[in-house]
Amino acid sequence: SYVLTQPPSVSVAPGTTARISCGGNNIGSKGVHWYQQKPGQAPVLVIFHDSDRPSGIPERFSGSNSGNTATLTISGVEAGDEADYYCHVWDSSNDHRVFGGGTKLTVL
Amino acid sequence: EVQLVESGGGLVQPGRSLRLSCTVSGFTFGDYAMSWVRQAPGRGLEWVGFIKSKAYGGTGEYAASVKGRFTISRDDSKSIAYLQMNSVKTEDTAVYYCTREGQQWQFDYWGQGTLVTVSS
Repeated sequence: SYVLTQPPSVSVAPGTTARISCGGNNIGSKGVHWYQQKPGQAPVLVIFHDSDRPSGIPERFSGSNSGNTATLTISGVEAGDEADYYCHVWDSSNDHRVFGGGTKLTVL
Repeated sequence: EVQLVESGGGLVQPGRSLRLSCTVSGFTFGDYAMSWVRQAPGRGLEWVGFIKSKAYGGTGEYAASVKGRFTISRDDSKSIAYLQMNSVKTEDTAVYYCTREGQQWQFDYWGQGTLVTVSS
């Protein structure tokens, strides 16, 4: 089965740029989606299909995907961005959906 | 406004059954595939399974951890998706979310979740 690997944690200062990686075998050939989850809340889609933003998501959130790594980039990080972030892909080999283990973003 | 509301969670003994419901509004339910995703306490997200729309056969797939024990069904006339959980185990304890799948397989809308606790 397909495996997605994320760093457990990322820490950045307010106003700087956070980059959260999601590794997988030839992930660049798949569409990657990203979710933000704050404590006690349901996840929220922030990026889909590698780099598209749903309506209502700030332009500070962007995504890229190439080779074996997809990246969620948050520019001008704010305290309110502190959350867990998950990547997700569709595994066409078995029609399963796969999540990464999640990354806790801490705003220092 | 799109809304997904899960219900049916609670305390259940190991080996017993439980059925969760996901009632939706704000979109044409029958046009979309629906997935269930769970989150054990303090853990990450785990995809449980999905069901296609009737236009694509209404079939689905399940994660290996629940295959053969859990079944997803849908009632398009009532705009409800179900998760039938049989032979539950303590490791099935989690918050269960239902989600709508977009055209790129993204989970674009989520319910608020319902807690299932498996314990004797």
